[in-house]
Amino acid sequence: QKEVEQDPGPLSVPEGAIVSLNCTYSNSAFQYFMWYRQYSRKGPELLMYTYSSGNKEDGRFTAQVDKSSKYISLFIRDSQPSDSATYLCAMSGGNFNKFYFGSGTKLNVKP
Amino acid sequence: SAVISQKPSRDICQRGTSLTIQCQVDSQVTMMFWYRQQPGQSLTLIATANQGSEATYESGFVIDKFPISRPNLTFSTLTVSNMSPEDSSIYLCSVVPYTEAFFGQGTRLTVV
Repeated sequence: QKEVEQDPGPLSVPEGAIVSLNCTYSNSAFQYFMWYRQYSRKGPELLMYTYSSGNKEDGRFTAQVDKSSKYISLFIRDSQPSDSATYLCAMSGGNFNKFYFGSGTKLNVKP
Repeated sequence: SAVISQKPSRDICQRGTSLTIQCQVDSQVTMMFWYRQQPGQSLTLIATANQGSEATYESGFVIDKFPISRPNLTFSTLTVSNMSPEDSSIYLCSVVPYTEAFFGQGTRLTVV
């Protein structure tokens, strides 16, 4: 079993839709959770960072962590074509020498 | 945060040759990390580079194939040696200044 599971998509939505991206994980020691956005031919860009359980909002983006279910989500409101990218989840148990990444979900927002 | 400059951004190389990828960070960091990202796959950690000591390699990666240098706290190189088409991938360097990982823009390597 992989440490982190993420649906690869692709996910195609119309402009303005609410997007939900998810990851599940198996290691209950994970405490730090991140979402990265990766445009084609670019490196991953940190989008959201959450410590432990709860929600965090930043503009159109909301990150949720449910540690009891070992499930994290990223919501994108009012999605835009510029949001079209691959979204990677990542997590760490506090040993910042080691991060665990999902395989990425490819999102396409159609104008 | 950290700003990472990685080069080259892409290259096409002949099999059997070597390519050195450079990574420059805008601040001093203790450790730098090198990843490989194959299409549709998760990031795979190749090695961790600590200034002043030999790099630590993950299972499946060896120093002869992926030699790493770390001459100071802001710079590292990764060499992909004796390349084969299976080495075609995106290579990324990363740093963790506090608790979040930051990445360079990646090197897209194609071996022909």
